[in-house]
Amino acid sequence: SAVISQKPSRDICQRGTSLTIQCQVDSQVTMMFWYRQQPGQSLTLIATANQGSEATYESGFVIDKFPISRPNLTFSTLTVSNMSPEDSSIYLCSTRGQLAGDTQYFGPGTRLTVL
Amino acid sequence: AQKVTQAQTEISVVEKEDVTLDCVYETRDTTYYLFWYKQPPSGELVFLIRRNSFDEQNEISGRYSWNFQKSTSSFNFTITASQVVDSAVYFCALSEGPGTASKLTFGTGTRLQVTL
Repeated sequence: SAVISQKPSRDICQRGTSLTIQCQVDSQVTMMFWYRQQPGQSLTLIATANQGSEATYESGFVIDKFPISRPNLTFSTLTVSNMSPEDSSIYLCSTRGQLAGDTQYFGPGTRLTVL
Repeated sequence: AQKVTQAQTEISVVEKEDVTLDCVYETRDTTYYLFWYKQPPSGELVFLIRRNSFDEQNEISGRYSWNFQKSTSSFNFTITASQVVDSAVYFCALSEGPGTASKLTFGTGTRLQVTL
């Protein structure tokens, strides 16, 4: 299994500022995923982060808006840049366990409100 | 492209009723995984089950059961004798391929409200 923690758990930010969300996994993992869940909506994948290489972004998400770092096999950060109220969402970090038959684990999420 | 459809947006039941949440998926892969997650009001995603495409056995875990039918591309979830604590949004999800690089595609979720 994998235990994932995220910081901060929630934040209220002003328009135009940036917020960096941290994700820590208790074991080494190959891939880490960042998802966004807008209010009342489903989860949408933002990007996939592999250690030592550039993150791969899904359609509709760009690196300038959501820069991601993956400095080692247990840690990643997602920055939400130049925020607007439309960025108000829950941001979740995820990874899949390394063992065969392991499942997809999610962090507790970061609840972001942009005023 | 893969797709997950949860046609039921919201379901309301009275405690102790049985309820089935529907999930229909689309994929071109022969190897894929299906998941169910529960999201209570607190917001965290609680893993319920993972099923691979080669295992069509139905599964029961306490009051929860899952019916996987490849012929209809469905992976339905039944809660027996529902309880108020079951109130949450339930998401069905799909990932293609067995590797650790697989990403999940989520359905839009079904909000279940269980009342006394």
